[in-house]
Amino acid sequence: AQKITQTQPGMFVQEKEAVTLDCTYDTSDPSYGLFWYKQPSSGEMIFLIYQGSYDQQNATEGRYSLNFQKARKSANLVISASQLGDSAMYFCAMREGRVSGGYNKLIFGAGTRLAVHP
Amino acid sequence: DADVTQTPRNRITKTGKRIMLECSQTKGHDRMYWYRQDPGLGLRLIYYSFDVKDINKGEISDGYSVSRQAQAKFSLSLESAIPNQTALYFCATSRGSRYQYNEQFFGPGTRLTVL
Repeated sequence: AQKITQTQPGMFVQEKEAVTLDCTYDTSDPSYGLFWYKQPSSGEMIFLIYQGSYDQQNATEGRYSLNFQKARKSANLVISASQLGDSAMYFCAMREGRVSGGYNKLIFGAGTRLAVHP
Repeated sequence: DADVTQTPRNRITKTGKRIMLECSQTKGHDRMYWYRQDPGLGLRLIYYSFDVKDINKGEISDGYSVSRQAQAKFSLSLESAIPNQTALYFCATSRGSRYQYNEQFFGPGTRLTVL
């Protein structure tokens, strides 16, 4: 069963506007973590933001915020005030289990390609 | 200087050849990983290592082998390359389980083409 689903293969947004990239996940483990990574055209993977399953507040990191809806099992990435440099692939990933519980592999979604238009 | 480096960055080879991809890190992390990325499939785990004496298979280890030569070095080998191993390969590292996020830090990737 697919554990991380990113339903938007491609998105576009006008510069300076906000955009939401969708991510839904599936797990029966009460302890998990959700990550978003950015992959620009140069290919590297850049960590953006993290949300733990027990975190009370939605994570924020500069222009990035995570809209975490636990009951819906969704962890959407919101990018505010889009910039041309935000054009990239964005991957949602999940870590099942407590961090302290030993090895916790990351499971990645298929990604969403975001294009920011001037 | 990059914390996680991969060599080579690009490689074109022929079917049946043996290929080694190398990864080095200066982050002092114990855990290292090898992933491959195919279009539309995201990243999939090939092998991971907790420390020099610990090597584990990931979800797609067939056709690959690894060697953890030191804490800082983790190599991926394709003993006999085949065209469907054409992909972008990433090495990643992470700290131990006592750290809150335990996010993974990725190298720049190696683009491998098998003809």
